[in-house]
Amino acid sequence: GAVVSQHPSWVICKSGTSVKIECRSLDFQATTMFWYRQFPKQSLMLMATSNEGSKATYEQGVEKDKFLINHASLTLSTLTVTSAHPEDSSFYICSARLTGRLNEKLFFGSGTQLSVL
Amino acid sequence: QKEVEQNSGPLSVPEGAIASLNCTYSDRGSQSFFWYRQYSGKSPELIMFIYSNGDKEDGRFTAQLNKASQYVSLLIRDSQPSDSATYLCAVDRGGGFKTIFGAGTRLFVKA
Repeated sequence: GAVVSQHPSWVICKSGTSVKIECRSLDFQATTMFWYRQFPKQSLMLMATSNEGSKATYEQGVEKDKFLINHASLTLSTLTVTSAHPEDSSFYICSARLTGRLNEKLFFGSGTQLSVL
Repeated sequence: QKEVEQNSGPLSVPEGAIASLNCTYSDRGSQSFFWYRQYSGKSPELIMFIYSNGDKEDGRFTAQLNKASQYVSLLIRDSQPSDSATYLCAVDRGGGFKTIFGAGTRLFVKA
């Protein structure tokens, strides 16, 4: 099956610093990738849809200036948490869908656990 | 109203029993329905997907979909302790590619 690689798996940073998370589709092209956030014992919350070559589409309540998304190629999307604060500590997961395929399952990255001190 | 609703549980069943997990959704235009299993600290992994009304069986798992009632369920037969996890119901919004997740149901299978 398709593989989505996400790095880093975990990161600890000081408050005020920026953290970049990478999501790569290893064996397929993904014009669309998705970024989710999950707090402990809660569900995955869709943050934004990352579109290759264009601006990301953010869900209501998600600050686009804080969570910068870049999807520069068909295999790479990045999420940068700018000026991270302790409340940004969460499990961030990316996913991708095979290009042009409806009714198709999502392929998930392994997730990034972010802890902001 | 949440787009995808699940009972958070925990649901506790003895080993070998049938576990029944339920989910309702609000968008009538939803086309695709998925069940994911998630272990603590890990990403979700797909268990089943279903598009048409009725039942779909895959090994010990059966997904059931009733679009008129906006209801989807997952049955796990012969439950094993390794099935203990959080099960996420996911729905593709009608007309788009966005997948929305329910809050998940925690399942405990007692040995």
